[in-house]
Amino acid sequence: GAGVSQSPRYKVAKRGQDVALRCDPISGHVSLFWYQQALGQGPEFLTYFQNEAQLDKSGLPSDRFFAERPEGSVSTLKIQRTQQEDSAVYLCASSLIRRSQETQYFGPGTRLLVL
Amino acid sequence: AQTVTQSQPEMSVQEAETVTLSCTYDTSESDYYLFWYKQPPSRQMILVIRQEAYKQQNATENRFSVNFQKAAKSFSLKISDSQLGDAAMYFCASSEYSGGGADGLTFGKGTHLIIQP
Repeated sequence: GAGVSQSPRYKVAKRGQDVALRCDPISGHVSLFWYQQALGQGPEFLTYFQNEAQLDKSGLPSDRFFAERPEGSVSTLKIQRTQQEDSAVYLCASSLIRRSQETQYFGPGTRLLVL
Repeated sequence: AQTVTQSQPEMSVQEAETVTLSCTYDTSESDYYLFWYKQPPSRQMILVIRQEAYKQQNATENRFSVNFQKAAKSFSLKISDSQLGDAAMYFCASSEYSGGGADGLTFGKGTHLIIQP
């Protein structure tokens, strides 16, 4: 594809509701990252996939957060029983190969507001 | 663990002038990478410039250059001939080489750059 896409772009959820955020990486990119960006802050790492394998989930803030990438392409970040502190922009990024210096290409993000 | 600090929440510069954005970092690794990312109001983050820690030479990309001071753990971004399209949030980020490959980026809090026409 032309770039990383994410859907929905905006999501309003009631506290306690489950949400699912989708990321379509650039075709052929092996690595996929999820970040959480609170208002006025820099993005914070949540989790990392190499193909379908979730190799690092150290940044997930609680067990309410779950991510998957079952076929090594599209990824879904799921948040169960949303809380107000989950309100943030969720960014997805992909890179071609698994190397620290590789450029990460970011999607436009999903802005989640929990009421 | 890595930390990245950007001490300038906001900077303003006249169009066509030069501006420098500051960044300091801390890492226990000897092999790491540093990045500047730009996030315009539309929020799609794009890479501006990248520096490998093992390289002495400062990276340059057209009007963008860095001043990498490894001993001081400083990594500033210089934008020459500022243009209106440069207005954005700028994030400094680092990535450590863990031996296994790609790790998540550690970002600073960002600097909001305003270009005065």
